[in-house]
Amino acid sequence: AAGVIQSPRHLIKEKRETATLKCYPIPRHDTVYWYQQGPGQDPQFLISFYEKMQSDKGSIPDRFSAQQFSDYHSELNMSSLELGDSALYFCASSSEGYNEQFFGPGTRLTVL
Amino acid sequence: AQKVTQAQTEISVVEKEDVTLDCVYETRDTTYYLFWYKQPPSGELVFLIRRNSFDEQNEISGRYSWNFQKSTSSFNFTITASQVVDSAVYFCALSEVSPGANSKLTFGKGITLSVRP
Repeated sequence: AAGVIQSPRHLIKEKRETATLKCYPIPRHDTVYWYQQGPGQDPQFLISFYEKMQSDKGSIPDRFSAQQFSDYHSELNMSSLELGDSALYFCASSSEGYNEQFFGPGTRLTVL
Repeated sequence: AQKVTQAQTEISVVEKEDVTLDCVYETRDTTYYLFWYKQPPSGELVFLIRRNSFDEQNEISGRYSWNFQKSTSSFNFTITASQVVDSAVYFCALSEVSPGANSKLTFGKGITLSVRP
């Protein structure tokens, strides 16, 4: 069965650079969630999209933006990267009315 | 606001011991979902179980079992005859029930389980 795809799997950036993380949900899933997991922390909700519209927002810095495209894939754009942005970023997808979220393998971002 | 508390931070057991991971939650919603996820050292989040608030039946899946008690807002997870491969961080999580638009997960802090041979 198809799973959630995230790319890249690993990313190394310098401070003040920008990064773009991509998420391809399971086919026919209309909702995408982004979570950030710092070292030794629990995953924290950043933002979600339902039918290409932002549906909820969590503790996402203003330096970050995201969108969901017409093919339902989503991108998380991160600018002016800081050391503290080093984390594992998970994308999850679900279909409307069915609350189980399927997680991708994560993108490990390291900011040097 | 939703909250998930996993009071145990680290548990160490010897292989074949049984171990119970505790989870206590808070929510004002009358309908909600509870989850357990496993995160092995490789980092991915592995789904273990989903339980909705109307289903208080306990569940068993192989060596895993879950005890949901609404009266005490707890959703505990027991591993019977633990194995070294069970070593991981285990997260309990809670979500509201709404049509896709706002079902973000609130995670507990996680419990690091180490199973020694």
